[in-house]
Amino acid sequence: AAGVIQSPRHLIKEKRETATLKCYPIPRHDTVYWYQQGPGQDPQFLISFYEKMQSDKGSIPDRFSAQQFSDYHSELNMSSLELGDSALYFCASSPIDGNTEAFFGQGTRLTVV
Amino acid sequence: AQTVTQSQPEMSVQEAETVTLSCTYDTSESDYYLFWYKQPPSRQMILVIRQEAYKQQNATENRFSVNFQKAAKSFSLKISDSQLGDAAMYFCAYRSAEESNFGNEKLTFGTGTRLTIIP
Repeated sequence: AAGVIQSPRHLIKEKRETATLKCYPIPRHDTVYWYQQGPGQDPQFLISFYEKMQSDKGSIPDRFSAQQFSDYHSELNMSSLELGDSALYFCASSPIDGNTEAFFGQGTRLTVV
Repeated sequence: AQTVTQSQPEMSVQEAETVTLSCTYDTSESDYYLFWYKQPPSRQMILVIRQEAYKQQNATENRFSVNFQKAAKSFSLKISDSQLGDAAMYFCAYRSAEESNFGNEKLTFGTGTRLTIIP
């Protein structure tokens, strides 16, 4: 069965650079969630999209932005990277029926040096 | 806002024995889901089991079962016949199922319990 695809799997950037993370949800899933998991921490919700519109927002820095495109894939753009942005970034997708749990991608490990 | 608390940062169990991981949560909602996720060293988030709040019957998935106490806001995970492959970080998570949150069903996680299996 198709799963949530995230790319790249690993990314190394320097401080003040920009990074773009991509997420391709499971087919027919119209809701996408982004989470950030710092070292030794639990995942923290960043932002979500339903039908290409932002549906909820968590503790996402102003330096970050995201969108969902017409094919339902989503991109998380991160600018002016800081060392503290080093983390595992998960994307999850779910259908809107409300009864199905979200499925997680394998994550993108971002290292800021 | 909802909160999820896991008071056991680390647990260990002998292989083939049974272990119970604790989770409590706080919410004012009546309709919600609770989950246990497993995160092995690969860091993949794997769903172990889920419980709908409106169901009184405790969920079971093979060797994994939960003890859901809605009034006490408690949701523990029992792993029977522990295997070496069960070693991982386990996260308890909450998700609203209220109609008013339709489309906003983000997960709120606890801080996790690291489970070690002793051969």
